[in-house]
Amino acid sequence: GNSVTQMEGPVTLSEEAFLTINCTYTATGYPSLFWYVQYPGEGLQLLLKATKADDKGSNKGFEATYRKETTSFHLEKGSVQVSDSAVYFCALLQGGSEKLVFGKGTKLTVNP
Amino acid sequence: DAGITQSPRHKVTETGTPVTLRCHQTENHRYMYWYRQDPGHGLRLIHYSYGVKDTDKGEVSDGYSVSRSKTEDFLLTLESATSSQTSVYFCAISVGGRGGVQETQYFGPGTRLLVL
Repeated sequence: GNSVTQMEGPVTLSEEAFLTINCTYTATGYPSLFWYVQYPGEGLQLLLKATKADDKGSNKGFEATYRKETTSFHLEKGSVQVSDSAVYFCALLQGGSEKLVFGKGTKLTVNP
Repeated sequence: DAGITQSPRHKVTETGTPVTLRCHQTENHRYMYWYRQDPGHGLRLIHYSYGVKDTDKGEVSDGYSVSRSKTEDFLLTLESATSSQTSVYFCAISVGGRGGVQETQYFGPGTRLLVL
């Protein structure tokens, strides 16, 4: 079946450091891929998405590229801020399915 | 936020009591979902609905039932709450193209449920 694997956290960085959170997936066909962010005490917010191979999603300085050859959708940001501290979830939506499949989440803490 | 509200936002109940959580949307979306979030598990789908009176099970549906009598409301019921159902519950709606094809889900603020 479909699955998403994220790097386990927690991840702790200093402000202005480079961020990578790895995400790989298993799916048939061509799923859509998503990153969601959950700030403390809040619900999930869509951060970015990509719907086909080689697409790059971007938002708020975060980027992720849909790599079909490596079945990956790694999240990157060049310079993190304290306000980026949150839990990040990678997810996929299989074409023809109504069900999102989530990774387990990666907690990011950014220290001043 | 796609016009999604959840109620109550927090609830404490006792084992064996029935509990109903409500999800309300204001934008007439066809698809609605209930997830639970637990440490180490991410989000797991409980039930979803693809229209009024049309629902289906997710991966962790045991102990839960749902109803959708109006497009805007999707109710999740724990018939007899257990401590294992202590969790944070999120409702979501699906936005975009025709159902199931390249759609994006948006989430409500969540309900924290504690079963003692």
